[in-house]
Amino acid sequence: DAGITQSPRYKITETGRQVTLMCHQTWSHSYMFWYRQDLGHGLRLIYYSAAADITDKGEVPDGYVVSRSKTENFPLTLESATRSQTSVYFCASRRQGLEQFFGPGTRLTVL
Amino acid sequence: GENVEQHPSTLSVQEGDSAVIKCTYSDSASNYFPWYKQELGKRPQLIIDIRSNVGEKKDQRIAVTLNKTAKHFSLHITETQPEDSAVYFCAAGGVTSGTYKYIFGTGTRLKVLA
Repeated sequence: DAGITQSPRYKITETGRQVTLMCHQTWSHSYMFWYRQDLGHGLRLIYYSAAADITDKGEVPDGYVVSRSKTENFPLTLESATRSQTSVYFCASRRQGLEQFFGPGTRLTVL
Repeated sequence: GENVEQHPSTLSVQEGDSAVIKCTYSDSASNYFPWYKQELGKRPQLIIDIRSNVGEKKDQRIAVTLNKTAKHFSLHITETQPEDSAVYFCAAGGVTSGTYKYIFGTGTRLKVLA
């Protein structure tokens, strides 16, 4: 389903560098989310946004920054990447009712 | 804070047998309980969901049951097939005082042995 896309799909960076992961959805869903997925932890919420210019912290927000100037975009920035931020990052948006629909994911490696 | 416990973390069954995965949630305001299937290297995909005004829901070989009093819900897969092998996540969601919450369990890796 091309309604929600993420870029890049794979990224390798070094500690201390700034990295931005992009998320774009074409449905005009008001809610968007960022999760990280690590072995043994399942999906953990980093940040979410209820609408343009409205964002809020999730379970693991430290080291991350988000913005939402347009409804369709929800970028996630790692201001100074650390090895512990090596993970798979999923963006999601809230579809009809309460269900969330996920993007394809970005696999980030921090060396 | 609120959490969702999911058991077991791994489950192996013979092809054709049934599989059951259980989740327990803590937030009594939760009223939406989806299940996601995630194949290796892919995104989680919604396979079935249930709302708190329903006790059971079926879709072909999969079913979900909800016991709101006990705050637990379960995924049942009958006549398992090798393509059912994946990681399954439960979640509990709802809106409390205008705040939307959606908490995932830690996942169950299901292996269906041919």
